[in-house]
Amino acid sequence: KAGVTQTPRYLIKTRGQQVTLSCSPISGHRSVSWYQQTPGQGLQFLFEYFSETQRNKGNFPGRFSGRQFSNSRSEMNVSTLELGDSALYLCASSFGEGEAFFGQGTRLTVV
Amino acid sequence: GENVEQHPSTLSVQEGDSAVIKCTYSDSASNYFPWYKQELGKRPQLIIDIRSNVGEKKDQRIAVTLNKTAKHFSLHITETQPEDSAVYFCAASKFGNEKLTFGTGTRLTIIP
Repeated sequence: KAGVTQTPRYLIKTRGQQVTLSCSPISGHRSVSWYQQTPGQGLQFLFEYFSETQRNKGNFPGRFSGRQFSNSRSEMNVSTLELGDSALYLCASSFGEGEAFFGQGTRLTVV
Repeated sequence: GENVEQHPSTLSVQEGDSAVIKCTYSDSASNYFPWYKQELGKRPQLIIDIRSNVGEKKDQRIAVTLNKTAKHFSLHITETQPEDSAVYFCAASKFGNEKLTFGTGTRLTIIP
């Protein structure tokens, strides 16, 4: 059974640009959550999608957005990138009731 | 919102000894508590979880205990091995609400 797949693995972007990250969940999982991991702030929840609907949202500015498609794949978009957005972005998938499994993450560097 | 505190931030133990990591949570409505292990450069890996209707759960050398009254839960690793060296994160959520609030992590080092 394939795990959670995130693409791309690494990205380098310039301040002011936008970026789109992709996450393919484990087959059958309908929930996809996104987290930002930084050395200073740890693991912080961005948002969660379940059956194409945003079910939960963390305390991030509106520059961070996401969506989920009918096949449960999810994308996360960050607009007007800032240096502080440099982080490892992780997605996690689950059936929607606990037991979340993480992808390997996308390492975003903003220069 | 939920707040999870985790201690200690670093822990070194001799190989073969036990390690204990403790977390406290603030929201009494939280009822799902997973633990993740993250090795350097790798994804967080779910190693064990516990739901609030259970006080203890074991899986081979690892166990988790939950005290709902005190709002704290702990990870116990017995007979530690070098491959247990990693950063461990506790988390809390409400079952059916996939927002995990994480602790700040514990860097566990096993000394051969």
